[in-house]
Amino acid sequence: QIQLVQSGPELKKPGESVKISCKASGYTFTDYAMHWVKQVPGKGLKWMGWINTYTGKPTYADDFKGRFVFSLEASASTANLQISNLKNEDTANVFCARCGLTGSPLYWYFDFWGPGTMVTVSS
Amino acid sequence: DIVMTQSPTSMSISVGDRVTMNCKASQNVGSNVDWYQQKTGQSPKLLIYKASNRYTGVPDRFTGSGSGTDFTFTISNMQAEDLAVYYCMQSNSYPPTFGGGTKLELK
Repeated sequence: QIQLVQSGPELKKPGESVKISCKASGYTFTDYAMHWVKQVPGKGLKWMGWINTYTGKPTYADDFKGRFVFSLEASASTANLQISNLKNEDTANVFCARCGLTGSPLYWYFDFWGPGTMVTVSS
Repeated sequence: DIVMTQSPTSMSISVGDRVTMNCKASQNVGSNVDWYQQKTGQSPKLLIYKASNRYTGVPDRFTGSGSGTDFTFTISNMQAEDLAVYYCMQSNSYPPTFGGGTKLELK
């Protein structure tokens, strides 16, 4: 069965860095793009960007350019998100989500989600 | 960015009710709208894609409709396990954007 398993919660201080992992299983990792979605506790969902798991090319939403880096360990079917120079407003639950495809022409959606990794930034 | 406005923000409902919620896009998004369910402490789950298509395994009490700028999501016979926040999302234009959510609570 398809699963996305994310790394555990993180407590960091402002200015530090964090790396979150998302390990996929149950499908061919390089066949589906991986997206990242942020959720501030009690608030809505915000798309952060995605990584092409075949080429490794990342694409970032405007609000996530500069301090955010998407990367892969394709041999381990794992997508990573690194956030540097953490700020209080980075406190959020971060989800990885697989980009599924269907139909002709192709239509995409988020068909499988990880459980989320809670990142808390506090001095 | 396209703004997705959901209404109402919350609803008090009873088991067995017919529940209808709306999502309005700030510009034409065709039929490129999905609906996700998020229960407390869980990750979102895809229910409806491309406005009206039920995802694999989703019960038929969940339906979606609409195109252009106005979309509707309906639960025909509310069950206790349907208590959650429901989000619409447009994928017509980058970046994909979510509505603010509609929270269903028991009356």
